[in-house]
Amino acid sequence: KNEVEQSPQNLTAQEGEFITINCSYSVGISALHWLQQHPGGGIVSLFMLSSGKKKHGRLIATINIQEKHSSLHITASHPRDSAVYICAVGGGSQGNLIFGKGTKLSVKP
Amino acid sequence: GAGVSQSPSNKVTEKGKDVELRCDPISGHTALYWYRQSLGQGLEFLIYFQGNSAPDKSGLPSDRFSAERTGGSVSTLTIQRTQQEDSAVYLCASSLEGTANYEQYFGPGTRLTVT
Repeated sequence: KNEVEQSPQNLTAQEGEFITINCSYSVGISALHWLQQHPGGGIVSLFMLSSGKKKHGRLIATINIQEKHSSLHITASHPRDSAVYICAVGGGSQGNLIFGKGTKLSVKP
Repeated sequence: GAGVSQSPSNKVTEKGKDVELRCDPISGHTALYWYRQSLGQGLEFLIYFQGNSAPDKSGLPSDRFSAERTGGSVSTLTIQRTQQEDSAVYLCASSLEGTANYEQYFGPGTRLTVT
């Protein structure tokens, strides 16, 4: 079993839909990261959180430490949101991250 | 300011040859990470440098892989006697400090193809 599990693996949505991507982890962590990877492009950090909820524009990330679960929500989705979204966790004094396999999101106009 | 840069962007090499991949982190970032993303696979950790401390090499897949970081800045990842299974995108990231509580900034990656 992977230490970081994401669901769904693939997601197709219509423009304007509310999207949720889930991440569960089995290790102790100090922080959880949500990353975005566009086709052929680099990786961009969206959020780093250790508790509660963060919001940036149409993106919202939440984490429940007790349940070892995080969600990434996209409101009013747009075709430019099409990308792979990756959940990653890190813990202790080390900074290296353990990654989920990613969720490939495609938003149709 | 400048982000993390990597070179080359693409590298094609013959099986058995050695390759060197370079990473220039963001100035002032004390932590530097190397990750690998194989086709259809998730990202995996390779090696991590934090300041002047000994690097964490726990993710290196074999002794053919090594890395160094000179002067706390530029890093080079070397793969000796390359194998076809080494084909992947190699990503470098840096962060202000070396714990998971700091945002990591990723470079564009080096796509390595071993023929």
